[in-house]
Amino acid sequence: GAVVSQHPSWVICKSGTSVKIECRSLDFQATTMFWYRQFPKQSLMLMATSNEGSKATYEQGVEKDKFLINHASLTLSTLTVTSAHPEDSSFYICSTASGQGKNQPQHFGDGTRLSIL
Amino acid sequence: DAKTTQPTSMDCAEGRAANLPCNHSTISGNEYVYWYRQIHSQGPQYIIHGLKNNETNEMASLIITEDRKSSTLILPHATLRDTAVYYCIVRAASGTYKYIFGTGTRLKVLA
Repeated sequence: GAVVSQHPSWVICKSGTSVKIECRSLDFQATTMFWYRQFPKQSLMLMATSNEGSKATYEQGVEKDKFLINHASLTLSTLTVTSAHPEDSSFYICSTASGQGKNQPQHFGDGTRLSIL
Repeated sequence: DAKTTQPTSMDCAEGRAANLPCNHSTISGNEYVYWYRQIHSQGPQYIIHGLKNNETNEMASLIITEDRKSSTLILPHATLRDTAVYYCIVRAASGTYKYIFGTGTRLKVLA
């Protein structure tokens, strides 16, 4: 299966700081990546679909100006949490689909735990 | 909304088979069933997927009912390391390819 790498794995920042999270596809070219957020003891919630070379598609209720997504290459998508506040503290996870077949499963990164003080 | 429903939690004795059910009564003809698990503080790990035939790999077996309205993930010999939250997801092989996660089943394997 695909190997997806996320960086950093853990970040602690002061309120008002902008934080960038990277998601890399290590062994294949990914035209589409997905970003999720997960609060403690809850399920994953899809935030947005990141498309290489075009604008991301955000899910309802997700502020696109708050969560900036850039997918400038076929192996890298970034999520920037702008002017982060304590309520943005969460576990952020990216994923992408492997292989050429349209039924291929998504593979997930190990997540980034963001804590805003 | 998620298209699947799963029991909130289950316990299984170590060494026994763990059978995790999933209901997806509104599944469409072109939608696959995917299973993942998530161990605390990690990203979800892919287990298996299928369309209508039963599937088996080195991790688990997937049994899909003939009407495709439900499925069961079977871990043949559960170990303590199988303790995790298990998610069942349905997704079409076309369109946006995005996953909508339900609440999953918290499986606890007991020694």
